[in-house]
Amino acid sequence: AAGVIQSPRHLIKEKRETATLKCYPIPRHDTVYWYQQGPGQDPQFLISFYEKMQSDKGSIPDRFSAQQFSDYHSELNMSSLELGDSALYFCAGRRQATDTQYFGPGTRLTVL
Amino acid sequence: AQSVTQPDIHITVSEGASLELRCNYSYGATPYLFWYVQSPGQGLQLLLKYFSGDTLVQGIKGFEAEFKRSQSSFNLRKPSVHWSDAAEYFCAVASGYNQGGKLIFGQGTELSVKP
Repeated sequence: AAGVIQSPRHLIKEKRETATLKCYPIPRHDTVYWYQQGPGQDPQFLISFYEKMQSDKGSIPDRFSAQQFSDYHSELNMSSLELGDSALYFCAGRRQATDTQYFGPGTRLTVL
Repeated sequence: AQSVTQPDIHITVSEGASLELRCNYSYGATPYLFWYVQSPGQGLQLLLKYFSGDTLVQGIKGFEAEFKRSQSSFNLRKPSVHWSDAAEYFCAVASGYNQGGKLIFGQGTELSVKP
């Protein structure tokens, strides 16, 4: 069965650089969530989209933005990267009217 | 505000022994509850979920969990642990899906398995 795809899997950036993370949910999963997991931490909700519209917003810095496209894939854009942005970034997809989020393998971002 | 507490940061059990991981939640309405497992450097895999109905739910890999409303708990159990169960376990509650459905995670419990 198709799974959630995230790219890249690993990313190394310098401070103040920008990064774009991509998420491709399972086909027909129209709701996408982004989470950030710092070292030794639990995943924290950043933002979610349904049908290309932002549906909820969590503790996402103003330096970050995200969008969902017509094919339901989503991109998380991160600018002016800081050391503290180093984390594992997960996306999860869900089909509207169902109750389970399916997670991707994550993108590990390292900011030097 | 919704919250999830996993009181045990780290648990060590012997292979073949039984396991119980604790999870307490705070949520105003009937919660949507989940247990996820995360192996090192890996994504989150769903073990089981509870929405309504039978309060004892079965999951993958021989895990089960029991929802106890009176105790606001959703503890994860396994009768006989295997070495491959060593991982990080997260309990999570979802806000209502008409409110977006974001997951709120507990702090996680790291499980080590002794031979």
